[in-house]
Amino acid sequence: EVQLVESGGGLVQPGGSLRLSCAGSGFTFSSYAMNWVRQAPGKGLEWVSSVSGSGSSIYYADSVKGRFTISRDNSKNTLFLQMNSLRAEDTAVYYCTKGAAVAGTVDLWGQGTLVTVSS
Amino acid sequence: DIVLTQSPATLSLSPGERATLSCRASQSVSSYLAWYQQKPGQAPRLLIYDASNRATGIPARFSGSGSGTDFTLTISSLEPEDFALYYCQQRRNWPWTFGQGTMVESK
Repeated sequence: EVQLVESGGGLVQPGGSLRLSCAGSGFTFSSYAMNWVRQAPGKGLEWVSSVSGSGSSIYYADSVKGRFTISRDNSKNTLFLQMNSLRAEDTAVYYCTKGAAVAGTVDLWGQGTLVTVSS
Repeated sequence: DIVLTQSPATLSLSPGERATLSCRASQSVSSYLAWYQQKPGQAPRLLIYDASNRATGIPARFSGSGSGTDFTLTISSLEPEDFALYYCQQRRNWPWTFGQGTMVESK
């Protein structure tokens, strides 16, 4: 079965750090770009970061640049998002997503993991 | 950043009716536009990519059209499971951006 399973979400204080993980299965992980997309409670979708299949190309939204780091371990079919200097406005469900054959389109979503930044 | 504006915000229709959702871009995105469906408590699902191509497993009642700045998602005859939130998304320029969504609700 083709799937993505996120972990690592939780409650963290402002200024704190959290590391999200996403395990992919059922597809050739290294062949596809992977992304993090987030959704604040009751709000729309925001593309956070993307990494190419090889890991050589990385993009960040301005809202997280300098604070978040995306990475991947193709030997373990796992995607990561290191989140530092967290702010209240980073509170959201974070979805791990698989890029489609056409770059910049998502054809598989994880179930999401909730990150809550609050004191 | 490219801003996508979806209209209407809410569409109230009955099963069997035709739904027409609009997405307008602040600058040309060529045909690099996708549509996603999201149901409450679920992750989004890809419906249409590159303006008019149905994703794998998507029923033929869903169709997309448009290019440049104006795009349309059409659901030819609404089924009960189609009442949901719909987002458009562009991949013309980074950062890839989403519209704010159109809710299709049952009248």
